[in-house]
Amino acid sequence: KQEVTQIPAALSVPEGENLVLNCSFTDSAIYNLQWFRQDPGKGLTSLLLIQSSQREQTSGRLNASLDKSSGRSTLYIAASQPGDSATYLCAVRRNAGGTSYGKLTFGQGTILTVHP
Amino acid sequence: KAGVTQTPRYLIKTRGQQVTLSCSPISGHRSVSWYQQTPGQGLQFLFEYFSETQRNKGNFPGRFSGRQFSNSRSEMNVSTLELGDSALYLCASSNTVSDTQYFGPGTRLTVL
Repeated sequence: KQEVTQIPAALSVPEGENLVLNCSFTDSAIYNLQWFRQDPGKGLTSLLLIQSSQREQTSGRLNASLDKSSGRSTLYIAASQPGDSATYLCAVRRNAGGTSYGKLTFGQGTILTVHP
Repeated sequence: KAGVTQTPRYLIKTRGQQVTLSCSPISGHRSVSWYQQTPGQGLQFLFEYFSETQRNKGNFPGRFSGRQFSNSRSEMNVSTLELGDSALYLCASSNTVSDTQYFGPGTRLTVL
């Protein structure tokens, strides 16, 4: 059974700091990994999707890396801003014999607070 | 393109009642998935539909059911509601089952 763990559970940083969020998964047979952010009481916003064959993806100030063999992904946020405050979730999709298996398995999330 | 829409946004029911939640995916998306989010359990997979067929189902009791229509809109139904069913129910759509999942705002269900 796939288990996804995110460390730290909460993080508070001053504005402008670069930071790293960590995600680890127990079963390396993944199809892809996706990072989301969730604002309080809202749905999830997709940030980055990394296919299992890729090592990293970048979007603006965000960079996500994937090391499938070690079961790890990191989300790097450069020059953090108060608007980045949210819960960040990683989710993996299982690889079932070369095809994807619809279910996403989520971590518990990292609550990020960026203070001015 | 309009995003994923879910109706209603908020719902209050009493134990024993049933409820139907609706999800309209992004235009052109054929895959719809449902998730339940609670503070204790986090996000848990309910089911996934692709072209009107249920492809996967999570570990939820038979009281939870769903369906997808020919226009890709999806509904989920929960019968005989229990207090523990109080949660945020999220729907996600994608172009294929492996593509980026786009989530709706969710339906907040409260069972009294």
